[in-house]
Amino acid sequence: KAGVTQTPRYLIKTRGQQVTLSCSPISGHRSVSWYQQTPGQGLQFLFEYFSETQRNKGNFPGRFSGRQFSNSRSEMNVSTLELGDSALYLCASSLASDGTDTIYFGEGSWLTVV
Amino acid sequence: KQEVTQIPAALSVPEGENLVLNCSFTDSAIYNLQWFRQDPGKGLTSLLLIQSSQREQTSGRLNASLDKSSGRSTLYIAASQPGDSATYLCAAPSNTGNQFYFGTGTSLTVIP
Repeated sequence: KAGVTQTPRYLIKTRGQQVTLSCSPISGHRSVSWYQQTPGQGLQFLFEYFSETQRNKGNFPGRFSGRQFSNSRSEMNVSTLELGDSALYLCASSLASDGTDTIYFGEGSWLTVV
Repeated sequence: KQEVTQIPAALSVPEGENLVLNCSFTDSAIYNLQWFRQDPGKGLTSLLLIQSSQREQTSGRLNASLDKSSGRSTLYIAASQPGDSATYLCAAPSNTGNQFYFGTGTSLTVIP
């Protein structure tokens, strides 16, 4: 079956712009989470959604937001982009949202802010 | 807050060698621990999931162990191959289970 799909794979934005990233989870998975990966900070948790509800949010400014649709697809948005937002943004899905199941990651969206 | 540490940060071994990657975590009340592999420029690939009730989990040449009491997990790779070269990360869930804490990874290079 298809894995986690993230679009776009690569994008370049200018400071001050906003960006929307999309994630389609594995069919049947209702939990979707987002992570930011940078060389200096490693993988940092952004937020997790289950059945269209945000259940947890990491320590990121309000410029970072997300949502989940009824078909479990998720989007994350970053407004007023800063240079420090340049990173690999990874989406993961799992069957349950209680940490008992394997989480599966997409290939990520590479964001460069110039 | 759970803290996950991986040592060493980088490891280089000749092909065919057996090796062990280490992962330490501070909160032993975990549901499970997961190991992932990340190739350059790619996402994470799940390797093994060890439930808190298990002590070991095996998949092919990989064997992962979990010792909750000491806050440690190890990933054993037998008969390493150049294709095993990648960064290996471990992750532990939060107490609510809907967030994972990752180590910074061990970058493995297997020399032909």
